[in-house]
Parts: sequence; structure tokens; C-alpha cells
Amino acid sequence: AQSVTQLDSQVPVFEEAPVELRCNYSSSVSVYLFWYVQYPNQGLQLLLKYLSGSTLVKGINGFEAEFNKSQTSFHLRKPSVHISDTAEYFCAVSEPGGSYIPTFGRGTSLIVHP
Amino acid sequence: NAGVTQTPKFQVLKTGQSMTLQCAQDMNHNSMYWYRQDPGMGLRLIYYSASEGTTDKGEVPNGYNVSRLNKREFSLRLESAAPSQTSVYFCASGRQGNTIYFGEGSWLTVV
Repeated sequence: AQSVTQLDSQVPVFEEAPVELRCNYSSSVSVYLFWYVQYPNQGLQLLLKYLSGSTLVKGINGFEAEFNKSQTSFHLRKPSVHISDTAEYFCAVSEPGGSYIPTFGRGTSLIVHP
Repeated sequence: NAGVTQTPKFQVLKTGQSMTLQCAQDMNHNSMYWYRQDPGMGLRLIYYSASEGTTDKGEVPNGYNVSRLNKREFSLRLESAAPSQTSVYFCASGRQGNTIYFGEGSWLTVV
């Protein structure tokens, strides 16, 4: 069975500083990996995804993530954050060839201070 | 460009009352999902439908029923609401294994 661990429940950071949100997963097979963002009082929307190919994936709003199979990680990074990046971020995993149902982590709240 | 539409957005129920959350998608997706979101718990899957005519239980199905009315619509019913069902509910749709698209959420309070 697949599972996702987001290691930090809350990450405070100052504007224009770099940030990394950590995600580890467990699965016995190959995986698809996703990062979603949720702004206050809204639904989730896709930031980026890894299905295959290059392990460095670029998404919207300047975010990127790197798939590391040996460490079973998919950490999300941004070199310089903005106040508008304040939101909840969710990592998710699904198994191609299995049920395909995505499993979500518990979320990381990114708080950007001026 | 509607995507996933769910109604109502807000609802207050008394314990024991019933209600149905409606969801419709216009992206021709086979798979549809209902999640609930609670503080510190992330998203937990209630029920899902891999295709029209099929439904399956997720992680937290107790107290809920679903209907996949057709390819577009997937409703969630609370037969006898309990305070523990106070939550934010999200409907989503997608193609197998790939990106899923979420509705805006339904805030339900059971008093």
C-alpha cells in the first residue's frame, strides 16, 4: 500500500527567501507523484507532477520538485518566495497499474512573512 | 470553463438530518472522488467511482452513500448526519493515475 509523509506541518519563511517542502512516500512499485496547492477557502489545484522521464520537474509559479527514487522523496522547492505563495501544499502519490487512486499527505502550511 | 462544480457551498444540518452533496464535471473524466478535509488530517477518501456504474469505498466511508448517476455526476449522501461529519467536502474527477481536478469545496456543519 502506498503512503505519503510530509515532514513539516508548518514552514514559516521570509519573503524572497528560498523554501523547501519535504515529501517522502512509500510504495512497492513505480509511482506517479504530485504536488497540489490550496489557497484559503478554495479547492486544490495542481502545481506539478512527475509521471516519468526527467527527475526534475518544473511547475507553475516558479516551483520545482525533484524525484529521488533511492530516497523515495519528492521535495518541492522555490528559490524566492512571495507573500502570495502563502497556502497549504499537499504531496500525493498514485500507482500506475494499480487502483490509480491518489493518496495525499497531511499537508504543509507555507507561511510567508514580509 | 466550469471544471468540477459542487453544491451547496455551505450547509448547516441538525444531528439526524439527511442531505445530498451534488457534484458534476464537464471534462469527460471516467474517475470521480469524494474527499473530506479536516484540520491536520489532510484529505481522506470517502468513496470513489472508477467509471460510470461503479462505486467503491475509500478510507472513511461509514455514514455516507454515493451515487454515480451518469458519467458527469457523482453525489454524496449523508443519511443521518452526526457532528463528526462536520468537515469540508471536496469532489474531484480525473483520468486514471493522472492529475485530478477539484471542486471549490462544500463546508458542512452538523449541530
